Amino acid sequence: GNSVTQMEGPVTLSEEAFLTINCTYTATGYPSLFWYVQYPGEGLQLLLKATKADDKGSNKGFEATYRKETTSFHLEKGSVQVSDSAVYFCALSDLNAGGTSYGKLTFGQGTILTVHP
Amino acid sequence: DGGITQSPKYLFRKEGQNVTLSCEQNLNHDAMYWYRQDPGQGLRLIYYSQIVNDFQKGDIAEGYSVSREKKESFPLTVTSAQKNPTAFYLCASKRSGGNTDTQYFGPGTRLTVL
Repeated sequence: GNSVTQMEGPVTLSEEAFLTINCTYTATGYPSLFWYVQYPGEGLQLLLKATKADDKGSNKGFEATYRKETTSFHLEKGSVQVSDSAVYFCALSDLNAGGTSYGKLTFGQGTILTVHP
Repeated sequence: DGGITQSPKYLFRKEGQNVTLSCEQNLNHDAMYWYRQDPGQGLRLIYYSQIVNDFQKGDIAEGYSVSREKKESFPLTVTSAQKNPTAFYLCASKRSGGNTDTQYFGPGTRLTVL
């Protein structure tokens, strides 16, 4: 079955530091890949997505590139802010044999990011 | 404003009681989903529905039930058969068809069994 593995957390950084959160996946076919962010006490918000190999998703200074050869979708940001403190989830969507999606998402376990001033 | 609403935000239940969590969306989305979130485990799929009057079990459906009588509503009932119901429950929805596989999430309901 499908699976997503995220780097162990929590991650603690100083403001303006470089961020990398690793994500690797196992899946058949060509799933879409997502990063969601969850702020304390809230639901998940889509941060960025990529739907095919070599696509780069980007939003709010965050980037991730769909690497099929390494089955990875690592999240990066060049300069983090205190307001980026949240839990980050990597996820992939299922695909059936015909290449369409049922919309079922498989999530990684989440990575807690804390940014200090 | 379009979006997904979940109520209540916090819910307390005594052991042995059934409880129903509400999820409503005005995005005109066909598909709706229920997830359970536990610390350090990410989100796990409970049930999903791709169309009115139809739904399928997810990975952890035991002890839960759902209905989909209206397009905009997908309530989840946590029954007394659910052995460990204390968790954060998230509802999501998306359009169907094509490459429209982005799910949008509600704010969640935190259920605590006393």
